[in-house]
Amino acid sequence: EADIYQTPRYLVIGTGKKITLECSQTMGHDKMYWYQQDPGMELHLIHYSYGVNSTEKGDLSSESTVSRIRTEHFPLTLESARPSHTSQYLCASSEYGLVGDEQFFGPGTRLTVL
Amino acid sequence: AQTVTQSQPEMSVQEAETVTLSCTYDTSENNYYLFWYKQPPSRQMILVIRQEAYKQQNATENRFSVNFQKAAKSFSLKISDSQLGDTAMYFCAFMKRSTSGTYKYIFGTGTRLKVLA
Repeated sequence: EADIYQTPRYLVIGTGKKITLECSQTMGHDKMYWYQQDPGMELHLIHYSYGVNSTEKGDLSSESTVSRIRTEHFPLTLESARPSHTSQYLCASSEYGLVGDEQFFGPGTRLTVL
Repeated sequence: AQTVTQSQPEMSVQEAETVTLSCTYDTSENNYYLFWYKQPPSRQMILVIRQEAYKQQNATENRFSVNFQKAAKSFSLKISDSQLGDTAMYFCAFMKRSTSGTYKYIFGTGTRLKVLA
C-alpha cells in the first residue's frame, strides 16, 4: 500500500467545532490533493498543492482551508463545521502532477457533523 | 464541459468468470489519459490500469485489460478470472489540463463490483 496516511479515520463532532484533518506522506511527493467523496458519488477535488507554500482551490467549492508548510504534510481545516460538511475526505499525492501521473490515495477520513 | 459517465452503479460476477465495466467520457482534447481506480471496502484507492489516448493498443495489467474506443469515447475495463479480492468500487477517471496548466482528475460516479463465491 502507498505511504500516505490520514487521521482520524472517523470523526463525529457537533456543529460549530473547528476541526483539522491530517494528511501526511513519506514518498517525498511535491503534489498533494484533497478530494471530497459523498456516498455512492464521484470524487471532487477541493484543494491541491504543487509544493511547499503553494495551495489552490479545486473544482468543487469548499469552506475548508489547507496549508502546506512541509512537503510531507497537507492538513485540511474547517473553522466551523456544519452538517453539510458531512462526507468522506480523501487525501492523495503524486510525484510529478503531469498528465498520466498516478495518484496515491490515503485511507480517507469519514466526517459526520451532527 | 468534460465528464465521465459510469452507467452501471452495481454489478456482480461469479468467481473465475469475466466481467466488463463500462465508462464513457466527453472531451474536446486530443492528448489525455484515462484511468481505472479500485477502492476496496475500507481500504485505500489504488490504480488498476491507465491508457494514453495516443496509443491505439489497449492497455493490459495481468487479469485487467481495457477496451479503448477513442472515436466512441468509450473506455471499458475487463476483469478476467474474477477473484474475491476484486470486490470493490471501481472508478473511471479522465485527466484533464486546467486553464492554469495543471492536470486534474475528473472521476465517474463508480461501479460497485461484487465477486460471488
